[in-house]
This record gives sequence, structure tokens and C-alpha cells, in this order.
Amino acid sequence: QKEVEQNSGPLSVPEGAIASLNCTYSDRVSQSFFWYRQYSGKSPELIMSIYSNGDKEDGRFTAQLNKASQYVSLLIRDSQPSDSATYLCAATGTASKLTFGTGTRLQVTL
Amino acid sequence: NAGVTQTPKFQVLKTGQSMTLQCAQDMNHNSMYWYRQDPGMGLRLIYYSASEGTTDKGEVPNGYNVSRLNKREFSLRLESAAPSQTSVYFCASSEDRGGTDTQYFGPGTRLTVL
Repeated sequence: QKEVEQNSGPLSVPEGAIASLNCTYSDRVSQSFFWYRQYSGKSPELIMSIYSNGDKEDGRFTAQLNKASQYVSLLIRDSQPSDSATYLCAATGTASKLTFGTGTRLQVTL
Repeated sequence: NAGVTQTPKFQVLKTGQSMTLQCAQDMNHNSMYWYRQDPGMGLRLIYYSASEGTTDKGEVPNGYNVSRLNKREFSLRLESAAPSQTSVYFCASSEDRGGTDTQYFGPGTRLTVL
């Protein structure tokens, strides 16, 4: 069983809508969680990090963490075509190493 | 500030050839990592180095060796390349404050083994 699970998508949303990306993790000791964005042919870049239960907002992005249910989500408000990318969820596990999900491909349509 | 740099950007090898992928960071980070990314598999950790002089295996270390040359540089060596090692390789670094740190990625090396 993969330690970090994501729906591969594609998730298609119209421009201006809210995109909701979800991620579940299996390792209960995970303490830190990250969302990376990866454009095709490029390297991952950090969007958000979250360490405590609840919501964390940064501009159009909101990360949500629920440790009891072992899920993390990323909301993108007012989605733009430039948000079209693959979003990688990652969680720390043993020895502070990051485990990545396989990513969800987001398509924002005009 | 270049961040994390990797060389080469592209490489084609024949089965059995060897090569070294180079990675350097100028952020004074303690930890460095090598990942491979394959379609449908996500990023998988090959090796990492928590500090200068130390290296540890990740999820998929077979067929690879690493060297943490100094605090800035972390190289990945394929001694005898196999087609299964065709992949995109990313180097990353982090300050390392016990798992809360952002990892910063290099631009990647696209390797094809024929």
C-alpha cells in the first residue's frame, strides 16, 4: 500500500471555480505535510506546507489537515489556466524523509 | 543565488555504461536528496544525505551509489546502467530542522538507457 495516496485525475475545473485536491496518508507518525506543484517537464515547487490540524491560507490557496482522518487537502480558489499542473502531496515519515503521492493532474478550462 | 543545480540536463546511455549525475546547492543546506520520477510512480527517494559525510538508502537504492563530496555537492553514480534506470532524476536539498523543512528541487536530469 502506497503511504501517500492521491487520485491521479485529471481533475477538470472551469476558470474561476474552486479546485479541490485530496490526499490520504497511512503513516500515523507523519507530522509535516506539503503540497508541491509540478508543471510538465519541470521540477516540483512548494505551494504550501501544513503541520497542525485545521486550515492554512496563502493567497488563493488553502491547505487543510485532519490528522484523525489522515487526510490533507488543497483548495485553489478562482482557478486560473496557469494553475494547470500536477499537484504532489507529500508527508514526512520515518527519519524525516518525505514520501510523495503520485500526484493529481489539474486542468483549468477556459 | 542559483539554488539547486544539476548536470547534465539530458543524457543517453547504452546498457552497461556508467555515469555520474552532479548536484550542487548554494543555500547552505544540511540535507540533500536524490529522487527518481517515473510515470505513475511519483517521486521515489534513491539516497539521501543528512549531513556532510553521511549517506543513507532510500526506497529504491539498488543500482546506484552516492557521494556527499562536501556540504554543497551530492553526486549520484550509475555503475552499470540498465534500461530500468531510464527516468527523470531530481536532486533536492533542505535545511533539515527535523522534518519540517521545505525541500528545494533542481531542474532534473532526463536519462535514457538504451
